[in-house]
Amino acid sequence: GAGVSQSPRYKVAKRGQDVALRCDPISGHVSLFWYQQALGQGPEFLTYFQNEAQLDKSGLPSDRFFAERPEGSVSTLKIQRTQQEDSAVYLCASSLAGGDKLFFGSGTQLSVL
Amino acid sequence: GNSVTQMEGPVTLSEEAFLTINCTYTATGYPSLFWYVQYPGEGLQLLLKATKADDKGSNKGFEATYRKETTSFHLEKGSVQVSDSAVYFCALFRNTGNQFYFGTGTSLTVIP
Repeated sequence: GAGVSQSPRYKVAKRGQDVALRCDPISGHVSLFWYQQALGQGPEFLTYFQNEAQLDKSGLPSDRFFAERPEGSVSTLKIQRTQQEDSAVYLCASSLAGGDKLFFGSGTQLSVL
Repeated sequence: GNSVTQMEGPVTLSEEAFLTINCTYTATGYPSLFWYVQYPGEGLQLLLKATKADDKGSNKGFEATYRKETTSFHLEKGSVQVSDSAVYFCALFRNTGNQFYFGTGTSLTVIP
């Protein structure tokens, strides 16, 4: 596609619900990143894929967070048993072959009530 | 560790005013430095970057110079426009680990 696409744009969840956030990177981009952006803060690294391999998941805040990219293109970030502190904008970014040229999606704004 | 500290906002300027947004960094090794811009409702977009000391990044009238001696990468523009209203993020990138570290962002509003 023309850019990085994320869905849904907005998600409201009740505390304890599971959610799944989708990222469709630019076609052919090898690297895919997930970031969490809390209100008034900069993006914080969550995890990184190169093709289907998850090379770094050091930023995932707890074992309730899980990300996958099974075919090396679309990625899903799943949050189990959501908590209020999970409320944030979740950003996806991709790049052609790692390195520093990142293209960001518009994000999914998650609100946990 | 690696971190970025940038000037807190919000910043409000009149059109054609001079803009400076301060950014300093802490890093091991030799990072690349970036400014990203986020317009309302959109994702982050690369504004400019510099990959080594004394490099100057520039784009759309914005400039920033990589100063190793002061560990800074301040963003400047000589004459801002209403369309420059956005949130600006300073960031560093380290090749080892393939990670970006972002500042907290500075909101800029330009009034006519």
